[in-house]
Amino acid sequence: AQSVAQPEDQVNVAEGNPLTVKCTYSVSGNPYLFWYVQYPNRGLQFLLKYITGDNLVKGSYGFEAEFNKSQTSFHLKKPSALVSDSALYFCAVRDGGYQKVTFGTGTKLQVIP
Amino acid sequence: NAGVTQTPKFRVLKTGQSMTLLCAQDMNHEYMYWYRQDPGMGLRLIHYSVGEGTTAKGEVPDGYNVSRLKKQNFLLGLESAAPSQTSVYFCASSPGLDLAAPFQYFGAGTRLSVL
Repeated sequence: AQSVAQPEDQVNVAEGNPLTVKCTYSVSGNPYLFWYVQYPNRGLQFLLKYITGDNLVKGSYGFEAEFNKSQTSFHLKKPSALVSDSALYFCAVRDGGYQKVTFGTGTKLQVIP
Repeated sequence: NAGVTQTPKFRVLKTGQSMTLLCAQDMNHEYMYWYRQDPGMGLRLIHYSVGEGTTAKGEVPDGYNVSRLKKQNFLLGLESAAPSQTSVYFCASSPGLDLAAPFQYFGAGTRLSVL
């Protein structure tokens, strides 16, 4: 069975500071990893994905994520946070051979002006 | 290009009533999914479909039924609504096992309250 853990319910960061939102995963096969963002009263929007290749993946809105196979982690990062980055962030994993995607419980990012 | 459209956006039901949530996608995607989102629990998969005429159970299928008679539509039915089904429901679609773009496109959600 595949699973995703987002250990922080909320992350607070000052505007202009770097941010990290943590994610660890467990799958039996090769992982496909995703980050999605959800703004209030909206559906989830895709940010970035890791399938294979470089461990550092760049995505939308200046976000990037680092895949670490040995630590089974896929942390979301951004060098300089914006107030508009405040939202709910979900990590998700899919076992490469299957279509079912498992989502984490979400981390609320609050960027303080 | 509308993407994934869910109707209705809001609904209030009484316990025991039935309803159908409609999801429509115009991207010719093979795969479609229904999730529910509850505070502190993230998104949980209810049912999914890997193609027209197919359906499969997800993590929390009890109390729900689905149908995929047309490729572009995926219907979620509640035969006898219960207060535990109060939630926000999201439909998603994806192009399938395409290595280049296996992520999901989400609708805006349906907020359902069961009294």
